[in-house]
Amino acid sequence: NAGVTQTPKFQVLKTGQSMTLQCAQDMNHEYMSWYRQDPGMGLRLIHYSVGAGITDQGEVPNGYNVSRSTTEDFPLRLLSAAPSQTSVYFCASRDSTYNEQFFGPGTRLTVL
Amino acid sequence: GQQVMQIPQYQHVQEGEDFTTYCNSSTTLSNIQWYKQRPGGHPVFLIQLVKSGEVKKQKRLTFQFGEAKKNSSLHITATQTTDVGTYFCADSFSGGYNKLIFGAGTRLAVHP
Repeated sequence: NAGVTQTPKFQVLKTGQSMTLQCAQDMNHEYMSWYRQDPGMGLRLIHYSVGAGITDQGEVPNGYNVSRSTTEDFPLRLLSAAPSQTSVYFCASRDSTYNEQFFGPGTRLTVL
Repeated sequence: GQQVMQIPQYQHVQEGEDFTTYCNSSTTLSNIQWYKQRPGGHPVFLIQLVKSGEVKKQKRLTFQFGEAKKNSSLHITATQTTDVGTYFCADSFSGGYNKLIFGAGTRLAVHP
């Protein structure tokens, strides 16, 4: 099993550009989430999904969109990048039996 | 809103010394989870505590959940250089496991 995979690993954008961060998992988990991690602030939930076709907002959803067309994939879209979105983004999937979250390796995003 | 406070923010110890990080909340915690993130890595699930007063051990790591479910702690006995990283606690509060709220983390440095 590859677990949770994320692409790209690094990305530099200019203000106003849009892009999609990819996330995939091969563990057949129903639950998936996106977090951002900023220095000294821990992880903050952006959006989450409880299954294909079902998504909901987390703590900091503004400026981001998600969709979940399959169990495996949960992409995160930045609509119009802003410097405040410079961060490390982690995707996670959750095992519903033990509630353990499995995190991907992260995408380090810089917005100039 | 609901918050999880972690102290200390940073701790450096000599190899072989003990280390403790604390997780506190002004509201009742629901199900505390602990994660470890190595430098440059992604968070990795360590354990979940559910019951008031619960104590769990994993080799040199001891996890406790307070009797009033308003605090939790992680204690490492005889630290090793492999313990280096940031330790996060997270709680679901009333939002369920899909809406974890993370503390800011305690960064541990171990000097050989």
